[in-house]
Amino acid sequence: TQLLEQSPQFLSIQEGENLTVYCNSSSVFSSLQWYRQEPGEGPVLLVTVVTGGEVKKLKRLTFQFGDARKDSSLHITAAQTGDTGLYLCAGADNQGGKLIFGQGTELSVKP
Amino acid sequence: EAQVTQNPRYLITVTGKKLTVTCSQNMNHEYMSWYRQDPGLGLRQIYYSMNVEVTDKGDVPEGYKVSRKEKRNFPLILESPSPNQTSLYFCASSFIGGGISYNEQFFGPGTRLTVL
Repeated sequence: TQLLEQSPQFLSIQEGENLTVYCNSSSVFSSLQWYRQEPGEGPVLLVTVVTGGEVKKLKRLTFQFGDARKDSSLHITAAQTGDTGLYLCAGADNQGGKLIFGQGTELSVKP
Repeated sequence: EAQVTQNPRYLITVTGKKLTVTCSQNMNHEYMSWYRQDPGLGLRQIYYSMNVEVTDKGDVPEGYKVSRKEKRNFPLILESPSPNQTSLYFCASSFIGGGISYNEQFFGPGTRLTVL
């Protein structure tokens, strides 16, 4: 069974601080996706990384895919209160269409 | 507007009473999937479908059935619901024409199910 370990599960920081969320697995994925979910809504895709070592930036968010395509990280620079939410990583299995999600990171950014 | 719709959004039922949660997408996506979300466990895939009449088990398929008779619809059926199926359920769809590697999910708003 493929697993994605996401850490930390909870993160409470002050506005302006930086943070990193990690997603680790012993399995290789064809791609790694990051989603953000707000209360009462479905997750929304932020980014997909496909190539080992790939780095993608989305304003203050930086996403990285490990060289071996087994792990990924999400770094937020100068967090804002609007970044508050649940962040989920998901690994895509290119063999048959399964998608494996991490447990999620509940981020709270305080003013 | 491109969307995935789920009905009902909230449902309280009793053990053993068959129920169906509908899911429909208007984006002509080939891939559709059902997930359940429980605190501390993230999203777990129940079933997915790569196209009409093609369905496969995810990680937690026990107690659930699905069908894909039309491209736009992917209902989730609980033949005999039990309290451990109390959860938040999400339907999602994606375009996989460019290859299954991406499989970027477009999620519905969720269905909160309580089984007493």
